[in-house]
Amino acid sequence: EVQLLESGGGLLQPGGSLRLSCAASGLTFSNYAMIWVRQAPGKGLEWVSGISGSGGSTYYADSVQGRFIISRDNSKGTLFLRLNNVSAEDTAIYYCGKGCRPNRNIDAVDVWGRGTMVAVSS
Amino acid sequence: QSALTQPASASGFPEQSISISCTGTSSDIGAYNYVSWYQQHPGTAPKLIIYDVFSRPSGVSSRFSGSKSGNTASLTISGLQTEDEADYYCLSFRTNNAYVFGTGTKVTVL
Repeated sequence: EVQLLESGGGLLQPGGSLRLSCAASGLTFSNYAMIWVRQAPGKGLEWVSGISGSGGSTYYADSVQGRFIISRDNSKGTLFLRLNNVSAEDTAIYYCGKGCRPNRNIDAVDVWGRGTMVAVSS
Repeated sequence: QSALTQPASASGFPEQSISISCTGTSSDIGAYNYVSWYQQHPGTAPKLIIYDVFSRPSGVSSRFSGSKSGNTASLTISGLQTEDEADYYCLSFRTNNAYVFGTGTKVTVL
């Protein structure tokens, strides 16, 4: 069974930085594109960032471009998201997700983690 | 990157059918067949119920079906059941390697 487990969330001040992790198990991690999605309290889902299986291609939503960095360590089966220069608008549950098919861009997200909460407040 | 447009709410009685629309543009839904739908119950992660416009993952009820016409995708829930009460989101690939979710629809079983 494929499982994803996020960690690293917490409370931070505006302008601060944080690194989220997503540990994957039950799959050949390097074969799959991965994605980060967030959900602000009481709001809808928002795509944040995506990365190819090799890690060679990365993509960002306009709202986080230049502030967030997605990366992966295929030897450890782990996905990361570095959050820099955060603001209150970044407060959300952050979910990681796995692409449906191997060796392709994300066409749909078939496995999701439980999410990790990031709260930005002074 | 504006979100895809969904109705805020939809409702029906048990055993009825309801449809949820997801309207985008010629840069996302209209251009690609990478439209998927997700069900989210309160306090839980989203669950994939439709991918590639109309395909169902293994284990998802056949009561869920998807379609697309032009820039609009639709999710239909047939034989509505109480456990279908949840939020539903569409997701589409968008030009320039971006992705966009719909605004979300809260489904209520009356």
